[in-house]
Amino acid sequence: GNSVTQMEGPVTLSEEAFLTINCTYTATGYPSLFWYVQYPGEGLQLLLKATKADDKGSNKGFEATYRKETTSFHLEKGSVQVSDSAVYFCALGHSSASKIIFGSGTRLSIRP
Amino acid sequence: NAGVTQTPKFQVLKTGQSMTLQCAQDMNHEYMSWYRQDPGMGLRLIHYSVGAGITDQGEVPNGYNVSRSTTEDFPLRLLSAAPSQTSVYFCASRPKGAGLRDTQYFGPGTRLTVL
Repeated sequence: GNSVTQMEGPVTLSEEAFLTINCTYTATGYPSLFWYVQYPGEGLQLLLKATKADDKGSNKGFEATYRKETTSFHLEKGSVQVSDSAVYFCALGHSSASKIIFGSGTRLSIRP
Repeated sequence: NAGVTQTPKFQVLKTGQSMTLQCAQDMNHEYMSWYRQDPGMGLRLIHYSVGAGITDQGEVPNGYNVSRSTTEDFPLRLLSAAPSQTSVYFCASRPKGAGLRDTQYFGPGTRLTVL
């Protein structure tokens, strides 16, 4: 069946450091891939998405590329800020499935 | 637009009590769903609805009931609360025709503690 595996946290970085949060998936066909972000005390909101192989989603300095050959959708940012501290969820949506599949979430903390 | 709204924000119940978590959206979205979020387990789907009058079970439906009498509202009922239902609950919606390959819109969540 469909599944998402993402890097376990928590991840703690200094401001301006480079960020990578790994996400790999298992699915047949061509799912859409998402990164959602949950800021403290808030609900999830879409950060970026990609709907087909080799697509790059980007938003707020974050990027992720849909790699079908490695079944991955790693989240990257070149220079993180304290305001990026949040929980990040990788997710998969497939037209043949009945629900979105979420990863377990990665908590990111950025030190000033 | 207010988007997806949830009430209450926090709730403490005793074992065996019942309550209803409210969810409303003003975006005329056909599809609505309820998730629970537990540490290390991501989000798990409880129930969902593809339109008024139509509901179905997700992966963890036991102990919860839902109904969908209007497009806007999708309440989640706990008939007899148990400590295992301590969690953060999120309601989500998406437009008609937008499949699972499209974006979902989440409410701010309800943090429930069952003693």
